[in-house]
Amino acid sequence: DTAVSQTPKYLVTQMGNDKSIKCEQNLGHDTMYWYKQDSKKFLKIMFSYNNKELIINETVPNRFSPKSPDKAHLNLHINSLELGDSAVYFCASTQATGDGYTFGSGTRLTVV
Amino acid sequence: AQSVSQHNHHVILSEAASLELGCNYSYGGTVNLFWYVQYPGQHLQLLLKYFSGDPLVKGIKGFEAEFIKSKFSFNLRKPSVQWSDTAEYFCAVNAWNTDKLIFGTGTRLQVFP
Repeated sequence: DTAVSQTPKYLVTQMGNDKSIKCEQNLGHDTMYWYKQDSKKFLKIMFSYNNKELIINETVPNRFSPKSPDKAHLNLHINSLELGDSAVYFCASTQATGDGYTFGSGTRLTVV
Repeated sequence: AQSVSQHNHHVILSEAASLELGCNYSYGGTVNLFWYVQYPGQHLQLLLKYFSGDPLVKGIKGFEAEFIKSKFSFNLRKPSVQWSDTAEYFCAVNAWNTDKLIFGTGTRLQVFP
């Protein structure tokens, strides 16, 4: 059983399009995150939700909108995609931050 | 603000060599510390973590790390690396009263047979 699953794994799209990435966890964790990993492998937190409530929004452009329909799901919608949005996006979850996170396998987004 | 520094950006070793990757953080309060590994094309996996207690922490695959509070360091070690250890290694810090992990910039380890 996959603990944190993301879809799609790869996403290639043109500038200006709108796209969504989905994340689901079956670990019963209360908190979920989106991280962006750039071409230099740097990982930066974008958003965090705790039991469907937004708790962290790290100065991400408002073209990015997370949505959490329930505590097992955290989706990321991106409007008006730009070249600089190309990256690998990782979803993660945890029950308590001190325990560490469980990461999904990532979504490689390429904007052309 | 918290930050994490990994000074070794790229390390190249031969199999059986010993490994030490540096990690320093900036935060004066209580922290939880982590090392994650990312194999090529894969997601991040937890290698080990320090929460409290014994500052020498043992993780999976023969890795260990030592928390030295006075130096704000949490260096990762392995006595004898294998080719399969080739990966990107990330140190991460969580301040006790926050809900997020701050990652270092990563160290790319290449091990040659």
